[in-house]
Amino acid sequence: DAGITQSPRHKVTETGTPVTLRCHQTENHRYMYWYRQDPGHGLRLIHYSYGVKDTDKGEVSDGYSVSRSKTEDFLLTLESATSSQTSVYFCAISAQNEQFFGPGTRLTVL
Amino acid sequence: SQQGEEDPQALSIQEGENATMNCSYKTSINNLQWYRQNSGRGLVHLILIRSNEREKHSGRLRVTLDTSKKSSSLLITASRAADTASYFCATVSNAGGTSYGKLTFGQGTILTVHP
Repeated sequence: DAGITQSPRHKVTETGTPVTLRCHQTENHRYMYWYRQDPGHGLRLIHYSYGVKDTDKGEVSDGYSVSRSKTEDFLLTLESATSSQTSVYFCAISAQNEQFFGPGTRLTVL
Repeated sequence: SQQGEEDPQALSIQEGENATMNCSYKTSINNLQWYRQNSGRGLVHLILIRSNEREKHSGRLRVTLDTSKKSSSLLITASRAADTASYFCATVSNAGGTSYGKLTFGQGTILTVHP
């Protein structure tokens, strides 16, 4: 357990509303990642961070933004949620070349 | 696009049998990793094999890597009902500078082990 929590764990929202998901870690890891998991696609990288205020885009970043103002928190924001963003979102940290995952957030956009 | 493609997509076996899952990838890699996911949970790291390694063992797990074929296999020996889960391969590329540890995942193999 790498001390990773995600909040909320479940969320239902409406199309067009902004949504922010939070990933919190307790062990001061430098690298953090946001993935989405959808049937038939496995996990796909949305954004990642390699330090405070240092972030970059992943494979499926359109419609998402991130922020990392302190080491322990990595926020994922859907500026205007769409139904195609209904998914399970996982946060991860990297330690010793392994990634450790949070429990996930199930987001439904109606 | 997915770097890793896994085969088979689903595998159903009896307890005690061996389970073999295969993964193919497209680009040059630094390392390849296997993860397990129980239903509704996050992924758990199983094993990492570097590009200069050909085989690695961890308990009942055996991983092979063939960089000439851009493929890997995961063997679970003497399977148990508790091994029922989805298994994913993931690669770290060594192209284009610092990877920042980014993983590219395959679509996974769903393993069901019947008691």
